[in-house]
Amino acid sequence: QVQLQESGPGLVKPSETLSLTCVVSGYSISSGYYWGWIRQPPGKGLEWIGSLYHSGTTYYNPSLKSRVTTSVDTSKNQFSLKLSSVTATDTAVYYCARRYSKGWFDPWGQGTLVTVSS
Amino acid sequence: DIQMTQSPSSLSASVGDRVTITCRASQSISKYLNWYQQKPGKAPKLLIFAASNLQSGVPSRFSGNESGTDFTLTISSLQPEDFATYHCQQSYTTPYTFGQGTKLEIK
Repeated sequence: QVQLQESGPGLVKPSETLSLTCVVSGYSISSGYYWGWIRQPPGKGLEWIGSLYHSGTTYYNPSLKSRVTTSVDTSKNQFSLKLSSVTATDTAVYYCARRYSKGWFDPWGQGTLVTVSS
Repeated sequence: DIQMTQSPSSLSASVGDRVTITCRASQSISKYLNWYQQKPGKAPKLLIFAASNLQSGVPSRFSGNESGTDFTLTISSLQPEDFATYHCQQSYTTPYTFGQGTKLEIK
């Protein structure tokens, strides 16, 4: 059974960089599939941030592309997200998920709330 | 970006009711429409992928259909555990986009 778990600071100051990690268990990242990040501001809808493959191929939402960096660590079976120059509008629950070839996400991690505030 | 518009935004219904939620794409997305269920404080759960394919383990009372750029999620007989928020997502092209969600509440 594939499981994903996000981790990282719950509070980030404005203008700093948000950093999150997603640890995958029950499946080897290097075996295939894309992996993704999605976020949900409090009380709002879902926003796709980006997807990445273990080889390094990435796809980012153009609205965030200039601030997003992702990476994969196959030795630790995890992948990461960095979002730079954050503002209060980046406050959200951040989810990691496995992405199937045709673009749907399953399963998802439980999510982690990141608040941007001084 | 492809815009996904869900209707209604909220819906009140009773246990045993048949309910339908609609998602309309701003352009053709072929069959690449997916539905998720989200309960408060929990991550979304995949229900249906590629318009009409039931994800493993999802009860058969859930079904999906497509007609052009309009997609529907139907729950044939509401159960207490079905009261949640439902999201649609297009995976035809990046950036993947979601509808604004439909909150299904108990009447």
